[in-house]
Amino acid sequence: AQTVTQSQPEMSVQEAETVTLSCTYDTSESDYYLFWYKQPPSRQMILVIRQEAYKQQNATENRFSVNFQKAAKSFSLKISDSQLGDAAMYFCAYRRGYGNKLVFGAGTILRVKS
Amino acid sequence: DGGITQSPKYLFRKEGQNVTLSCEQNLNHDAMYWYRQDPGQGLRLIYYSQIVNDFQKGDIAEGYSVSREKKESFPLTVTSAQKNPTAFYLCASSPPGTSLRPDEQYFGPGTRLTVT
Repeated sequence: AQTVTQSQPEMSVQEAETVTLSCTYDTSESDYYLFWYKQPPSRQMILVIRQEAYKQQNATENRFSVNFQKAAKSFSLKISDSQLGDAAMYFCAYRRGYGNKLVFGAGTILRVKS
Repeated sequence: DGGITQSPKYLFRKEGQNVTLSCEQNLNHDAMYWYRQDPGQGLRLIYYSQIVNDFQKGDIAEGYSVSREKKESFPLTVTSAQKNPTAFYLCASSPPGTSLRPDEQYFGPGTRLTVT
């Protein structure tokens, strides 16, 4: 069974600084998708960034980028120029393909200090 | 505006009562999902449906039931058999397989269920 591990229960970052959230996963598949979701205090799940496993290029979305290491089964999220609005719970998630379920990690609480 | 709606936002029930959580989407998505979130944990899949009149159990289906009579609607019933029903429940949907990003899931705002 696929598993997703987020080893950092909580992280802090100073406003305008950079922070990296870690995620590792376990799978025997070669084709899959990885995601980072943000859950602010409103509890609405918001998709931050996605990565297709067959793509070697790391995904980027404005201030958010990932470091995808397929051989190491690692998928970290880097947030640059952190803002107060980035404070939230961040979930890493794995999906084998269309029609398959999302498998979530336990989450990392990100606190942003002004 | 297209999106996923869940109602109500907060729901309170007495132990032993069944309760149904609503999930509606107007995104024309085929697949819909129900997740449960407990404090300090990630989301766990309860049930999912890839097409009308069909659904499959997820990882924690015991004590729950669903129906999918319409494409837009996927209600979840929390039965009295669910031992720890108090939780935050999230509904999600995915675009068709022919869309640009069929692998993504879009979430509703959630329902907080408290059973006493």
